[in-house]
Amino acid sequence: EDQVTQSPEALRLQEGESSSLNCSYTVSGLRGLFWYRQDPGKGPEFLFTLYSAGEEKEKERLKATITKKESFLHITAPKPEDSATYLCAVQAPPIQGAQKLVFGQGTRLTINP
Amino acid sequence: DAMVIQNPRYQVTQFGKPVTLSCSQTLNHNVMYWYQQKSSQAPKLLFHYYDKDFNNEADTPDNFQSRRPNTSFCFLDIRSPGLGDAAMYLCATSRDQREASYEQYFGPGTRLTVT
Repeated sequence: EDQVTQSPEALRLQEGESSSLNCSYTVSGLRGLFWYRQDPGKGPEFLFTLYSAGEEKEKERLKATITKKESFLHITAPKPEDSATYLCAVQAPPIQGAQKLVFGQGTRLTINP
Repeated sequence: DAMVIQNPRYQVTQFGKPVTLSCSQTLNHNVMYWYQQKSSQAPKLLFHYYDKDFNNEADTPDNFQSRRPNTSFCFLDIRSPGLGDAAMYLCATSRDQREASYEQYFGPGTRLTVT
């Protein structure tokens, strides 16, 4: 069964203090691993897609990496506006052209000024 | 900007009183999804449409129905809301996934309260 586990559940950092969020996954044939950001009371916002081990993607202070079992979201010198819940999801085989995502529970990140 | 729009943003309904949530998209995507998200939980897929083809998740209660009258619009109907149906309802869209994996675009959500 496809499964995604994110750790830690919650993380508090000081502004400028770099860290990494973990996403461990098991899936029968990875078609894509997705990172989303979700602010309180809003819908998830797409960040990155990773397709195979060794791939890396970057956007501003965020960098996503992936191995055969885990993905990491590295946050470098974070700012308070980076505070959000970060969701990881893997794609199960598509059904009729649609996407079935298996989500982790998310990591709630708080950056203190 | 192309986007996914949900109305209303906040909906209060009474126990057992039918309610309809609305989603529209300007992305012209084939696929539209409805998710339920409860506090501090991951989004849970309820059903999706590929064009006009409807696909219900096995564990979605019969109380939840959906309509997609055209490419742009999709509705979520809750026939007899219970207190346990209070949640954020998210609409999302994506391109056809058969040839490649594409991200989903989410709307801002509708927060449903049941009194």
